[in-house]
Amino acid sequence: GENVEQHPSTLSVQEGDSAVIKCTYSDSASNYFPWYKQELGKGPQLIIDIRSNVGEKKDQRIAVTLNKTAKHFSLHITETQPEDSAVYFCAASKDTGRRALTFGSGTRLQVQP
Amino acid sequence: DGGITQSPKYLFRKEGQNVTLSCEQNLNHDAMYWYRQDPGQGLRLIYYSQIVNDFQKGDIAEGYSVSREKKESFPLTVTSAQKNPTAFYLCASSFNSPYSTDTQYFGPGTRLTVL
Repeated sequence: GENVEQHPSTLSVQEGDSAVIKCTYSDSASNYFPWYKQELGKGPQLIIDIRSNVGEKKDQRIAVTLNKTAKHFSLHITETQPEDSAVYFCAASKDTGRRALTFGSGTRLQVQP
Repeated sequence: DGGITQSPKYLFRKEGQNVTLSCEQNLNHDAMYWYRQDPGQGLRLIYYSQIVNDFQKGDIAEGYSVSREKKESFPLTVTSAQKNPTAFYLCASSFNSPYSTDTQYFGPGTRLTVL
């Protein structure tokens, strides 16, 4: 089955700096890669996703890049703000068979004011 | 309001008891999922259902059971056979398009503690 690895497990940045979180996946058939933000005690919320037919997607301060050859994808947050502090999860799935997501282990992002 | 609701928010279970976690959605989604989250870890799939009256085991189904009698509802029962049930349980739902993966939306979660 699919295996998703996520790094780093914790990340601390100064307000206004950029943050980058990286994930690798094992199943070359995976073609959908969402990123979720989870605040303490709450359910994950989708912040951005990318499909394998594009290499990059951007939404204001957040961007995701995908390298299908290397089987890795990354989340980029620019101009970080204290409210960006949360746990971020990457995930992967494919269009055939089981469509449930396989998640990375999460990155705790702390933005220092 | 549209969305996914889970109840209760907190649940306490004694050893040997079965408990049922509720998940309801009014998004007209065909597919529903149950995940388990342990502290400092990612989410792991327990069961999923892509259509009413059908469901499949996920990666950690042992000690759990589900039903899908209505499109809107996907309750999860944690049985006494689950040896380490203390965790945060998350329900999700999505459309079930035939040719592409649809976005999964999550409920607020139920925190289960075994006393």
